[in-house]
Amino acid sequence: KNEVEQSPQNLTAQEGEFITINCSYSVGISALHWLQQHPGGGIVSLFMLSSGKKKHGRLIATINIQEKHSSLHITASHPRDSAVYICAVSPRLGQKLVFGQGTRLTINP
Amino acid sequence: DTEVTQTPKHLVMGMTNKKSLKCEQHMGHRAMYWYKQKAKKPPELMFVYSYEKLSINESVPSRFSPECPNSSLLNLHLHALQPEDSALYLCASRRGRTDRYNEQFFGPGTRLTVL
Repeated sequence: KNEVEQSPQNLTAQEGEFITINCSYSVGISALHWLQQHPGGGIVSLFMLSSGKKKHGRLIATINIQEKHSSLHITASHPRDSAVYICAVSPRLGQKLVFGQGTRLTINP
Repeated sequence: DTEVTQTPKHLVMGMTNKKSLKCEQHMGHRAMYWYKQKAKKPPELMFVYSYEKLSINESVPSRFSPECPNSSLLNLHLHALQPEDSALYLCASRRGRTDRYNEQFFGPGTRLTVL
C-alpha cells in the first residue's frame, strides 16, 4: 500500500461543476502539498498546509491531521483547470516529498 | 525572483553523447533537488543537495552525475544514457532544513529524449 493514496485516479466533469480530490496518507507529516501539472509541463505548487484550510481563488485545500486526510476543492471549474493534481507529503524531519499517484482531471466545456 | 529556471527545455541526445542539464534559483534556497518523471507517473527523487553538499543519492546510475557549483546553481551531467532514461527531468528548491521551510518550488523541467 502506498504511503499516499489519492482518489479518484481520473475525473471528468463539465465546466462549472464543483470538484473534490481526496488524499489520504499513513505517515506522520510536517506538511502536505497540493501540486498541479498541466500536460507536458512542469509542476506548480498550489498549497502547502499543515492544519486547517487554505483558499486561493477558486481553489480550496483542507487537511484533517487526526484523520490523515486532505481534500482539494475547485469551485466553478473551467477547462483550464484540466491537469494532473498531485498530493505530496513531507514526512517529519525529512527532506523528501512522498508523492501520491496523481488525479487526472478533465473539465469539458 | 520566485522561480526556478531550467535549461534546456528540450534535449535530444544519442547514447554516446555527453550533455548537461542546468537549474538555477535566486531565492536564497539552500536545498536543491533533481527528480525524474516518466509519463503518467509521479516524480521520482534522484538527488538532493543541501548547503551545496550531496545529501541524498537515490541509488541513481553513475551515468547521471550531479553537481552543485554554488548555492544558486545545480547541474546534472549526462553520459552514455539509455533510451529508457528518456523522461521529464525536474529541478526543485527549498529554503532550508527545518520543518517550517518545507515548500518545494519546482522548475518547468527538461524533456529529455535519448535515441
